[in-house]
Amino acid sequence: QKEVEQDPGPLSVPEGAIVSLNCTYSNSAFQYFMWYRQYSRKGPELLMYTYSSGNKEDGRFTAQVDKSSKYISLFIRDSQPSDSATYLCAMSGANFGNEKLTFGTGTRLTIIP
Amino acid sequence: NAGVTQTPKFQVLKTGQSMTLQCAQDMNHEYMSWYRQDPGMGLRLIHYSVGAGITDQGEVPNGYNVSRSTTEDFPLRLLSAAPSQTSVYFCASKRGNVPYEQYFGPGTRLTVT
Repeated sequence: QKEVEQDPGPLSVPEGAIVSLNCTYSNSAFQYFMWYRQYSRKGPELLMYTYSSGNKEDGRFTAQVDKSSKYISLFIRDSQPSDSATYLCAMSGANFGNEKLTFGTGTRLTIIP
Repeated sequence: NAGVTQTPKFQVLKTGQSMTLQCAQDMNHEYMSWYRQDPGMGLRLIHYSVGAGITDQGEVPNGYNVSRSTTEDFPLRLLSAAPSQTSVYFCASKRGNVPYEQYFGPGTRLTVT
């Protein structure tokens, strides 16, 4: 079993819809939870991060972490065609000397105009 | 500020050939990493470095070699290319003590025939 599981999709939704992307994990030591966005033929870029449990909002994006269920989510409101990309969740422990991130496989999202 | 740069962008190798993928960053980051990205497998860590002169193995190190003689550069060497090494390779860097904010390069698409 992988430490981080992510539904690969693909996921297609109409413009303006609310999108929900999710990951589950098994390692209780994870404390930092990240979402990266990767456009086609580009490198991943950090979208949002959350430390420990709770919610974090940034414009149309909301990240949620439920450590009791080992489940994280990314919500995109008022989705736009420019949001079409692959979204990767990533996680890390709180040991600052540990630079390793564990990634999900990514969910490919297409927003249909 | 160029961020993380990688060369070449594309490469085709024959089985058994060797080559070096170049990676450089101009952000004075201590940590640098190499990942490979394959369909359905997500990003897998090959090797990483926590500073000049210090390297360590990641999840899939076999067939690859690294060195870190300067803070800026972190080349990845393929010793004897195999078709299983056909992949997209990403170099990444981050500041020390910041587990979440990893900057990725644009990637190198490698095909081994």
